[in-house]
Amino acid sequence: QVQLQESGPGHVKPSETLSLTCTVSGGSATGYYWSWIRQPPGKGLEWIGNVHYSGRSNYNPSLKSRVTISVDTSKNQFSLRLTSVTAADTAVYYCVSIPDYWGQGTLVTVSS
Amino acid sequence: EIVLTQSPGTLSLSPGERATLSCRASQSVTSTYFAWYQQKPGQAPRLLIYSASRRATGTPDRFSGSGSGTDFTLTISRLEPEDFAVYYCQQYGSSPETFGQGTKVEIK
Repeated sequence: QVQLQESGPGHVKPSETLSLTCTVSGGSATGYYWSWIRQPPGKGLEWIGNVHYSGRSNYNPSLKSRVTISVDTSKNQFSLRLTSVTAADTAVYYCVSIPDYWGQGTLVTVSS
Repeated sequence: EIVLTQSPGTLSLSPGERATLSCRASQSVTSTYFAWYQQKPGQAPRLLIYSASRRATGTPDRFSGSGSGTDFTLTISRLEPEDFAVYYCQQYGSSPETFGQGTKVEIK
């Protein structure tokens, strides 16, 4: 059974960079697409993007200029970087192997 | 971008009743890459249905999915107390992957 666990700061200041890592256990990071999805408090789900184990990535056009998703198969991890954050980026961030496996999510708050 | 529109926004029903949730796509979706999720407060979404109609492991058989093209339906045949939650549809066959805005099934 694949398990995903997000890690990273729970608080980021406006204009700074949000960085999160997802550790994959119970399976390999190879052979899949690995996604980041976020959910602002009280709102719906938004796909941020994904990365293939080969390193190929796809991003939501609404965030593309600020997002980088990368994979480190040697560590069974993949990562999210979101630059120039604002309060609108406050959300629970999930790492996901769509559609089956979801991390528990981590709340990231953007405030000064 | 494929826009998914779920209806109704809120469904008020009693335990034992039948729930019918709709998800309409702005353009045709590949059924293989269409899913339904259930989300309860403070929890991550849980996969219920994938490939439009296949129940995920652990999904009770009172849940069924149907549809193709632009119209998809999630049916809960008889609501149990634990079914009151928010339900999302998702397509992941076309980038950007998109979700519906959710349907809340609440106790009447």
